Amino acid sequence: AQSVTQLDSQVPVFEEAPVELRCNYSSSVSVYLFWYVQYPNQGLQLLLKYLSGSTLVKGINGFEAEFNKSQTSFHLRKPSVHISDTAEYFCAVRSANAGNMLTFGGGTRLMVKP
Amino acid sequence: ETGVTQSPTHLIKTRGQQVTLRCSSQSGHNTVSWYQQALGQGPQFIFQYYREEENGRGNFPPRFSGLQFPNYSSELNVNALELDDSALYLCASSQTWDPVETQYFGPGTRLLVL
Repeated sequence: AQSVTQLDSQVPVFEEAPVELRCNYSSSVSVYLFWYVQYPNQGLQLLLKYLSGSTLVKGINGFEAEFNKSQTSFHLRKPSVHISDTAEYFCAVRSANAGNMLTFGGGTRLMVKP
Repeated sequence: ETGVTQSPTHLIKTRGQQVTLRCSSQSGHNTVSWYQQALGQGPQFIFQYYREEENGRGNFPPRFSGLQFPNYSSELNVNALELDDSALYLCASSQTWDPVETQYFGPGTRLLVL
């Protein structure tokens, strides 16, 4: 079975500060990992994905994530956040033996303050 | 390129009624997945359709059913609605020739059951 834990339900941060949103996953087989963003009253938008190869993945809007197999983590980072980054962020995993089913974490609300 | 669209955007039903939600997949995509997102939680996988057949199901009862049509659009049907069915229902489309079958989400249908 696959599972995802997002360690922080809320992350407040000041504008232009760096931020890290944490994600840990559990799976007995190889995985694909994703980060999605959800703005208020909207669906999910893909930020980035990890398939294989380089462990540092760059996405849209200046976000990047690092895959760490030994720690089973896929943390999302941005060096300088903007007010417009305020949203809910979801980490998701798809295991090689789970068909095309995505398992999502509970989400982290990023609140960027001026 | 047309993205994933869903209708209606909002819906109010009473307990015991039946509801049908609709989804048009992104251009070129042949697979549709449905997710339920309760308030304050991450999306939960309901099922997936490929070639007009159910191709994987999450932990949802049989009163949740679906269809996929030859043009790859899809419907989600929920019978005997319960209060706990109140949620945002998300549709995602993907293509089987994408090695990762990345899922792209629509804006969702918000269902309120009274």
